[in-house]
Amino acid sequence: GAVVSQHPSWVICKSGTSVKIECRSLDFQATTMFWYRQFPKQSLMLMATSNEGSKATYEQGVEKDKFLINHASLTLSTLTVTSAHPEDSSFYICSARDSQGSQPQHFGDGTRLSIL
Amino acid sequence: GDSVTQMEGPVTLSEEAFLTINCTYTATGYPSLFWYVQYPGEGLQLLLKATKADDKGSNKGFEATYRKETTSFHLEKGSVQVSDSAVYFCALRRGGSQGNLIFGKGTKLSVKP
Repeated sequence: GAVVSQHPSWVICKSGTSVKIECRSLDFQATTMFWYRQFPKQSLMLMATSNEGSKATYEQGVEKDKFLINHASLTLSTLTVTSAHPEDSSFYICSARDSQGSQPQHFGDGTRLSIL
Repeated sequence: GDSVTQMEGPVTLSEEAFLTINCTYTATGYPSLFWYVQYPGEGLQLLLKATKADDKGSNKGFEATYRKETTSFHLEKGSVQVSDSAVYFCALRRGGSQGNLIFGKGTKLSVKP
């Protein structure tokens, strides 16, 4: 079945560095990818909707300059957490929807980000 | 705005017990409803879905019925197994087939042998 690959699965880095997370659809084309953030014991919160070839749409309260999203191809979207700080530590999950639009979203395995 | 509320966990059951995880939603229009499951160390997987009122989604022995009158989509299984231990997320999709998902907080289920 359809697979979404998310990389890396776990990253630990120092405060002030930037971290890039990749989300790839492996066997289908995804015109739309979603980025979610999951806080401990809380729900998955949509951060932004990433559309291939255009600017991402960010949810209210999400800093677009902090969380840079690039969706340069139909199979790849990246999320870059710029100048990361400890409060950015979280679990980030991407999902992709088949270009046909009728399929459910397929999720990556998530990225555990820990900022020291 | 649209939201999903599901029962808080953790839920601990013995093998072969009956499972119910409650889920209610608030939404404008007619959203599609989903249950996703996250097994330990894995990503989210679609468990079942329903796209209109009175639809019943089912998979792997789990069932949920879209009840518009009570705005609910409760997850049930008649006899749970240890392998069902996971976190279960109720979700709705707004804006038709192009919309994003809105999730409940998740309910952790632990099944003891």
